[in-house]
Amino acid sequence: GQQLNQSPQSMFIQEGEDVSMNCTSSSIFNTWLWYKQDPGEGPVLLIALYKAGELTSNGRLTAQFGITRKDSFLNISASIPSDVGIYFCAGLLNSGGSNYKLTFGKGTLLTVNP
Amino acid sequence: KAGVTQTPRYLIKTRGQQVTLSCSPISGHRSVSWYQQTPGQGLQFLFEYFSETQRNKGNFPGRFSGRQFSNSRSEMNVSTLELGDSALYLCASSFDSNYGYTFGSGTRLTVV
Repeated sequence: GQQLNQSPQSMFIQEGEDVSMNCTSSSIFNTWLWYKQDPGEGPVLLIALYKAGELTSNGRLTAQFGITRKDSFLNISASIPSDVGIYFCAGLLNSGGSNYKLTFGKGTLLTVNP
Repeated sequence: KAGVTQTPRYLIKTRGQQVTLSCSPISGHRSVSWYQQTPGQGLQFLFEYFSETQRNKGNFPGRFSGRQFSNSRSEMNVSTLELGDSALYLCASSFDSNYGYTFGSGTRLTVV
């Protein structure tokens, strides 16, 4: 099955710094999704990317769908304490007809020091 | 617009018992997927239901099963619980599988 390599596993930064994380895969995906999960809650969708090369922003967040369809990155600018959490990338693959499968990376734990 | 609702939020069961978890998707969403989240394995796909039919299945043993009702609500069942089944079980709904998924807050299952 598809494997997603997400890096870094964890980051400890100062408030105001920019953050970058990425996911790579040996397989191509139709869609890339980025989620954030707070403790005790389910993941919340941050950005969805549907086309290779697509660059999308959501406030201080920017994500790109790699040209090869095998990678994606997420940038967070001017981090604030509430950015703390686990960020997951997820790749969605249509393997025929209505057969879609969503595969998650292992997550990046972000800690922001005020 | 109500989000994805999972019940119960917390559950403690004994090894060998069985458990049923419930998920109510966002109104109008027809696809419901279930995931198991553990610190060691991350988020792992269990199965997906669409219009009361299981459309996709992950690599979990037959002790894990699910179903979807005509109102799109879904349940998952785990029989003969093992200690390793302790996890956060997440449900996600989508209008259709090729759109973004919205997750519920999960059910924290502890098997003792």
